[in-house]
Amino acid sequence: KQEVTQIPAALSVPEGENLVLNCSFTDSAIYNLQWFRQDPGKGLTSLLLIQSSQREQTSGRLNASLDKSSGRSTLYIAASQPGDSATYLCAVSLAYAASKLTFGTGTRLQVTL
Amino acid sequence: GAVVSQHPSWVICKSGTSVKIECRSLDFQATTMFWYRQFPKQSLMLMATSNEGSKATYEQGVEKDKFLINHASLTLSTLTVTSAHPEDSSFYICSARDRQGIYEQYFGPGTRLTVT
Repeated sequence: KQEVTQIPAALSVPEGENLVLNCSFTDSAIYNLQWFRQDPGKGLTSLLLIQSSQREQTSGRLNASLDKSSGRSTLYIAASQPGDSATYLCAVSLAYAASKLTFGTGTRLQVTL
Repeated sequence: GAVVSQHPSWVICKSGTSVKIECRSLDFQATTMFWYRQFPKQSLMLMATSNEGSKATYEQGVEKDKFLINHASLTLSTLTVTSAHPEDSSFYICSARDRQGIYEQYFGPGTRLTVT
């Protein structure tokens, strides 16, 4: 059974800092990995999707990397802003069940002024 | 593009009644839709996978007679919580996979259910 863990569970940083969120998974036979953002009481916004054959994806100030063999992904946020405050979730799908996502526990990020 | 809506966004019902939640893909056809529930400060847990024109597949521990799922068209799936109890209070989120996609799921805004 795939288990997905995110560290840290919560993080508070001052505006402007670069930060890294971590995601680890136990079964490396993944199909893809997605990073999502969730604001309080809201649904999910997809940030980045990395296919199993890719090493990283970038979108604006966000960069996600994938090391399938070690079961890890990181989400790098550059020059953080108060508007980045949210919960960040990573989710993986397995190669033999590509349409099913297993979500991590989430990292609650607060960016302060 | 790739917008998924849910209705209602929140609902309060009395214990013992049934509640229906709709999930629609607005600008694409979704052969597969997924239903998740999320308890406060916890992550999303997959409840069931809904395929258009066939019976839903439920995850272990999810009562299929309590959580009725219907996927009648390529743009609509419904989740009915039957005989709701306070422990069913949760945030329910649906997602949809574009039939031409690469297994990427697009998520709805969620429905907050409170059972009193």
